[in-house]
Amino acid sequence: DTGVSQDPRHKITKRGQNVTFRCDPISEHNRLYWYRQTLGQGPEFLTYFQNEAQLEKSRLLSDRFSAERPKGSFSTLEIQRTEQGDSAMYLCASSWTGGPTPDTQYFGPGTRLTVL
Amino acid sequence: GDSVTQMEGPVTLSEEAFLTINCTYTATGYPSLFWYVQYPGEGLQLLLKATKADDKGSNKGFEATYRKETTSFHLEKGSVQVSDSAVYFCALSDTSGTYKYIFGTGTRLKVLA
Repeated sequence: DTGVSQDPRHKITKRGQNVTFRCDPISEHNRLYWYRQTLGQGPEFLTYFQNEAQLEKSRLLSDRFSAERPKGSFSTLEIQRTEQGDSAMYLCASSWTGGPTPDTQYFGPGTRLTVL
Repeated sequence: GDSVTQMEGPVTLSEEAFLTINCTYTATGYPSLFWYVQYPGEGLQLLLKATKADDKGSNKGFEATYRKETTSFHLEKGSVQVSDSAVYFCALSDTSGTYKYIFGTGTRLKVLA
């Protein structure tokens, strides 16, 4: 069990550019969640997957954001035409709903995005 | 909708002092409640959890009791150490089946030697 990993850890981009983040969950975890955390705030839910199916998207996830989990393993989060307001830490978490603690999520280290 | 309210920080304590960080929640149904800790530059680590009323979660000297009557889940530790300096988040798990989390705004704890 290597834990949840995210790549890259830091990303600096210019306004208007596209960026893509990757999350590798704990192996065999069927659920994967994305959250966004802005400075001084708690994380806010963006979207989640059960296996490869994206089951819910927050209204925070504008049409510039897209997430995929093509084979039910790793996931990507893409932001198109980045804006300065997208600057935040993007956190990924995974969980296994088949066990005794389906509501316990394990978080990755996050990707910190800075949009100049 | 569901929400979590935490006491604002920062909280500054001397080593070996008693810690309380208040957390109250509003929710439909009976959510699981969590405390996560975030050290500088890192992601969130699960500190403890409780799944039903009167449950007490504990870990590393930290404790919190699920109080349904006061809708609270206050975090306590009898004697803090410098290494406990971090940001602490209270969260609840959505009861609709998504298990998505709703977090408080976090409380920064600074422990002085």
